Amino acid sequence: DTGVSQDPRHKITKRGQNVTFRCDPISEHNRLYWYRQTLGQGPEFLTYFQNEAQLEKSRLLSDRFSAERPKGSFSTLEIQRTEQGDSAMYLCASSDSLAENNEQFFGPGTRLTVL
Amino acid sequence: KNQVEQSPQSLIILEGKNCTLQCNYTVSPFSNLRWYKQDTGRGPVSLTIMTFSENTKSNGRYTATLDADTKQSSLHITASQLSDSASYICVVRSGGYNKLIFGAGTRLAVHP
Repeated sequence: DTGVSQDPRHKITKRGQNVTFRCDPISEHNRLYWYRQTLGQGPEFLTYFQNEAQLEKSRLLSDRFSAERPKGSFSTLEIQRTEQGDSAMYLCASSDSLAENNEQFFGPGTRLTVL
Repeated sequence: KNQVEQSPQSLIILEGKNCTLQCNYTVSPFSNLRWYKQDTGRGPVSLTIMTFSENTKSNGRYTATLDADTKQSSLHITASQLSDSASYICVVRSGGYNKLIFGAGTRLAVHP
């Protein structure tokens, strides 16, 4: 297994455009998390899934943001009508809820720049 | 409010020297504490994990300590290498929750 992968690694878009990011978790990990990280800060929790169910959403996840995990495997994060304040690194992580300490393994992130 | 604070914000050391990074947390209930290393433009990678009953844990040149009474942790790096240049993030998991509470990180630069 190659770990958590994210695509694209970088995205530059103009304000007002929609963008979609994809995350492929480690195989058989039932939990998947999305975080946002701005420069010089630690990651901030956005949402998480257990299998295909979205169990929790942060107040940071405005109505312009939507996440899905339709088959309980990969996940997508869509941002509609992007704003300059959306510029950040979007990190995905996955974990096995049955594993000791439920460690989250992070992907390399997608860096979004909104012009 | 659950918070994790790290110091210093940034640090520059010479190759071969040792350094210690600090983490103070106010998280309750406490489940475990991890130190992550994050290279620029990459996702965080776990270095150590410590539970309530553990005081010290080592991973190669990295040694983490935990004082659950004072709610403080440290990460000591010995014989630093250029590849140690990264951000080091302290992360606390609150018992019963799946969310992790992240510190802002310490940005370490190791110079030759």
